Amino acid sequence: QKEVEQNSGPLSVPEGAIASLNCTYSDRVSQSFFWYRQYSGKSPELIMSIYSNGDKEDGRFTAQLNKASQYVSLLIRDSQPSDSATYLCAVNIVGPGTASKLTFGTGTRLQVTL
Amino acid sequence: DGGITQSPKYLFRKEGQNVTLSCEQNLNHDAMYWYRQDPGQGLRLIYYSQIVNDFQKGDIAEGYSVSREKKESFPLTVTSAQKNPTAFYLCASSKAGGNQPQHFGDGTRLSIL
Repeated sequence: QKEVEQNSGPLSVPEGAIASLNCTYSDRVSQSFFWYRQYSGKSPELIMSIYSNGDKEDGRFTAQLNKASQYVSLLIRDSQPSDSATYLCAVNIVGPGTASKLTFGTGTRLQVTL
Repeated sequence: DGGITQSPKYLFRKEGQNVTLSCEQNLNHDAMYWYRQDPGQGLRLIYYSQIVNDFQKGDIAEGYSVSREKKESFPLTVTSAQKNPTAFYLCASSKAGGNQPQHFGDGTRLSIL
């Protein structure tokens, strides 16, 4: 079983709509969760961090965490063509020492259509 | 500006050759990481370092080596033992602490000649 799972997509949404991206994880002791955006040919860029159950909003982005069900999601409101990218979910798997050892999903490709 | 600098942007390796990828950060981060990304796959951890002069193997360390002689620098050597080195290599860093997010450099694309 994969540790962090995402639907590879592509997820296609019209401009102005809400895009909903989902991620499930297998390790119950995971404590921190991150969403990264990766444009084609570029490196990942951190867009959201979430640590406790519930919703966290930042501009057009909302991260939702449900530790009991072991899923984390990202909502993008008023989707724009510039949001078209691959979105990577990353989960902190508890490891030795103090390094933040993240496990990444394979990403969901989002296409925002005009 | 604070950030993570990877060089070169593109690198070509001949058969039997070792190549070294550079990663420098001026964010004063304690931890540094190397990942490999192949098309259609997620990021896979090669090596990570929590402190100077110490580093640990990640999930796919075979055929790679690293050093951490300075806090700012974490170079990765792709040795000739790595038979399939063509990939996008990403360096990241983070503050100390298990829940810190990682920030990435712009990456190095390595190809075989």
